[in-house]
Amino acid sequence: GAGVSQTPSNKVTEKGKYVELRCDPISGHTALYWYRQSLGQGPEFLIYFQGTGAADDSGLPNDRFFAVRPEGSVSTLKIQRTERGDSAVYLCASSPTANTEAFFGQGTRLTVV
Amino acid sequence: AQKVTQAQTEISVVEKEDVTLDCVYETRDTTYYLFWYKQPPSGELVFLIRRNSFDEQNEISGRYSWNFQKSTSSFNFTITASQVVDSAVYFCALRVSGGYQKVTFGTGTKLQVIP
Repeated sequence: GAGVSQTPSNKVTEKGKYVELRCDPISGHTALYWYRQSLGQGPEFLIYFQGTGAADDSGLPNDRFFAVRPEGSVSTLKIQRTERGDSAVYLCASSPTANTEAFFGQGTRLTVV
Repeated sequence: AQKVTQAQTEISVVEKEDVTLDCVYETRDTTYYLFWYKQPPSGELVFLIRRNSFDEQNEISGRYSWNFQKSTSSFNFTITASQVVDSAVYFCALRVSGGYQKVTFGTGTKLQVIP
C-alpha cells in the first residue's frame, strides 16, 4: 500500500489477555518505530528497528512488551498479561533510512477492560 | 534527557485569523533536530517540517511559517489566515543526533478554527 498500515484499527481485550498489533511499513523502508499515545498526550517512543534488529528498545515499559520484525518488513508488537494502563493508541512509523522523516500509520486503539 | 514543552493546551481562533503555536525544548546536545507534526481527528501524524540545530533560518511554506531561535530554545509555528481544515492537534518534537532514533514529543496543542 501507499502508506503505513496498522491492524487492527481497534482492539478491545480483557485484562490479563495477550494481544498482538501489526504494522506494515511502507515498502522499502528499513527503519520502523513503535510509539504509544495516551489520551491527551504526545506519542512516547517504544522501540526502533533498523532492518530486522531492534536497535533501540529503551522505551518498552516492561518485559510484558515485546516487538519483532523477522524479515525486516512487517512488525508485530506483542503485549502479554495486558493491564488497564496499557490502554492507548499504538502508533507505528517507518522511514526510508534512519535519519529521514518518519511516516506514521493511523494507529491501533487498544482498550483493556 | 530531552524535553519538549507546549504550554498551550487548546487554542480557538476564528477562520482567517493568524495563530502561533509555541514550542520550547530542552537538550544538552549540540546537534539535534526539531519537528512539527499535525494530527487530524483521523489520528495519523502528518509530518510538517524538520529543522536541524545548525540552521536557524526561518522557513515559510504557504500559510505555514516557523521561527527557530536557539537563544530561547524555541521553535514556534505560525499559521497565517487559518482555515477550518487546520483544526487538529499539533505536536512539536525533538530528536538528538548521534544515532539515537528516539523522538521526544510535546503534549500537543489542540487548534480549533471556527468558521
